[in-house]
Amino acid sequence: IAGITQAPTSQILAAGRRMTLRCTQDMRHNAMYWYRQDLGLGLRLIHYSNTAGTTGKGEVPDGYSVSRANTDDFPLTLASAVPSQTSVYFCASSPTGGGTGELFFGEGSRLTVL
Amino acid sequence: GQNIDQPTEMTATEGAIVQINCTYQTSGFNGLFWYQQHAGEAPTFLSYNVLDGLEEKGRFSSFLSRSKGYSYLLLKELQMKDSASYLCAARDSNYQLIWGAGTKLIIKP
Repeated sequence: IAGITQAPTSQILAAGRRMTLRCTQDMRHNAMYWYRQDLGLGLRLIHYSNTAGTTGKGEVPDGYSVSRANTDDFPLTLASAVPSQTSVYFCASSPTGGGTGELFFGEGSRLTVL
Repeated sequence: GQNIDQPTEMTATEGAIVQINCTYQTSGFNGLFWYQQHAGEAPTFLSYNVLDGLEEKGRFSSFLSRSKGYSYLLLKELQMKDSASYLCAARDSNYQLIWGAGTKLIIKP
């Protein structure tokens, strides 16, 4: 089934550790995104990529980095995790960065930083 | 600043109609989206409006007034499976989505 796959689905992490959340899509979409979702807040954009080889900063990029070496993969790295990064992380993709802009989301990665 | 406002929670009865409102303030405007999110799951796309008026899609309709910075999602013939959070998002001049916190809809038998 085509779509977006995220891994891991859930992780408990000690503060200060490095963590990479993986995201792979098989829809050949150009644009990919990383969001975090916290209770009582809307989805907040961390980083995005409009096409392979390019990335951009979203609303809350500090403490996170991304890479887009190819069309399918868009990993998110926390260099040194802090408790405030406890959240549910969603990877999403869309055919282009503009247009009708429907986003297709992965199932999410629940991260707890202790 | 950019902002999306929608009610935190609403309750409705199975078989009834419910309207979820959303007001937005963005730097420029390139469309208004509604997504549905069941608890513990990913958001899924419901509708997109860029012109004023009503877009109907089965039991769900979405309305937009650009001059008022206002949208609503109308759900008819409510079913228990419609219990979910409904997320409103507006796209700004940079084609970035600004998301509301979501409206949790509780359906009672």
